[in-house]
Amino acid sequence: DADVTQTPRNRITKTGKRIMLECSQTKGHDRMYWYRQDPGLGLRLIYYSFDVKDINKGEISDGYSVSRQAQAKFSLSLESAIPNQTALYFCATSDSGVGTQYFGPGTRLLVL
Amino acid sequence: QQQVKQSPQSLIVQKGGISIINCAYENTAFDYFPWYQQFPGKGPALLIAIRPDVSEKKEGRFTISFNKSAKQFSLHIMDSQPGDSATYFCAASVSGGYQKVTFGTGTKLQVIP
Repeated sequence: DADVTQTPRNRITKTGKRIMLECSQTKGHDRMYWYRQDPGLGLRLIYYSFDVKDINKGEISDGYSVSRQAQAKFSLSLESAIPNQTALYFCATSDSGVGTQYFGPGTRLLVL
Repeated sequence: QQQVKQSPQSLIVQKGGISIINCAYENTAFDYFPWYQQFPGKGPALLIAIRPDVSEKKEGRFTISFNKSAKQFSLHIMDSQPGDSATYFCAASVSGGYQKVTFGTGTKLQVIP
């Protein structure tokens, strides 16, 4: 969905490095989410934010941190990357209605 | 804790056949059940959704069947086409307030000619 953009689209990094994945949206939604996708495990929630001043841990937040710089921007950081953080990462937004999630195109991360 | 169980993990269907994907949930507070479709290299996108006050919802070739008493819902794709080949995720959430969506583990569908 072009309304939700993620950078970079692909990233290779080494164990112990700090990296940041960025997400921007033009949908005007207050709610933003970070998920990781692994084969056979589906989509798992890392962090979510319901407005600029609200940050909440998801089910797998260990090893990750986030920053909500503005309504439209939500960044995910891996403080010290490890190989089992190799995954496909998605940012998503939703409005305050029925909860439909609008996903970005994803970032494929490889940690060596 | 897996709150939404999805099966099968993968599915191969011939063109023109019916594809069926099943999901079961545990949390009776869930009141919104969407299905997302994901093509390779893309993010998931909403395909169709249902609320528990109806037992079936149909949009074109896609139908959701919902069984509240059994806490199960399923996606049926009629006249499956090669262009339907994708990964499908069921999901569930409690609408209003703090909405978090719980996703199933996904089903990779391949429709062969």
